[in-house]
Amino acid sequence: SAVISQKPSRDICQRGTSLTIQCQVDSQVTMMFWYRQQPGQSLTLIATANQGSEATYESGFVIDKFPISRPNLTFSTLTVSNMSPEDSSIYLCSVSRQGGEKLFFGSGTQLSVL
Amino acid sequence: GDSVTQMEGPVTLSEEAFLTINCTYTATGYPSLFWYVQYPGEGLQLLLKATKADDKGSNKGFEATYRKETTSFHLEKGSVQVSDSAVYFCALSAVYNFNKFYFGSGTKLNVKP
Repeated sequence: SAVISQKPSRDICQRGTSLTIQCQVDSQVTMMFWYRQQPGQSLTLIATANQGSEATYESGFVIDKFPISRPNLTFSTLTVSNMSPEDSSIYLCSVSRQGGEKLFFGSGTQLSVL
Repeated sequence: GDSVTQMEGPVTLSEEAFLTINCTYTATGYPSLFWYVQYPGEGLQLLLKATKADDKGSNKGFEATYRKETTSFHLEKGSVQVSDSAVYFCALSAVYNFNKFYFGSGTKLNVKP
């Protein structure tokens, strides 16, 4: 299994500001993933964060809006930049184990943008 | 592209009732299929999975069978408990990239005593 600590658990932010979300895993993992869950919708993959290389972003997500850091094999951050109310969502960090066929999730960050 | 569709909630049942949450998928090839559960205040966790056609995943009294003919992976439980109250997500991992998961929108289950 994997224990994933994510913080903050929730935040209320002003339009135009940025928020950095931290994700700490209790053991080394190759790939870490960032998801977004908008109200009433499914989880959507934002990007895959690999240690030592740039993150790989999914269609519709760009580095300028969602910069990601991955300084080592147990830690990653996701920044939501220049926020607008449309960014209000739950942001989830996850890692894969067992050959990639099992995802473990952090408890999420609930972001509200006013 | 790959996608997952699951029944909308919330679903409200009395304790010991039978549960079915429908899930259908669209995918290239034969993906692996999953059910994740999110209990109140907790992160998502894997409930069960099936990796090939006709496989049955099971855990904690829940079952789901991988049906390629109907591209479905419905979640069932014969007798729900109050402690099963949670949000349930159906998901698949892409054949071309097993690290890429597609999730349904989630179904909230409320079980009343």
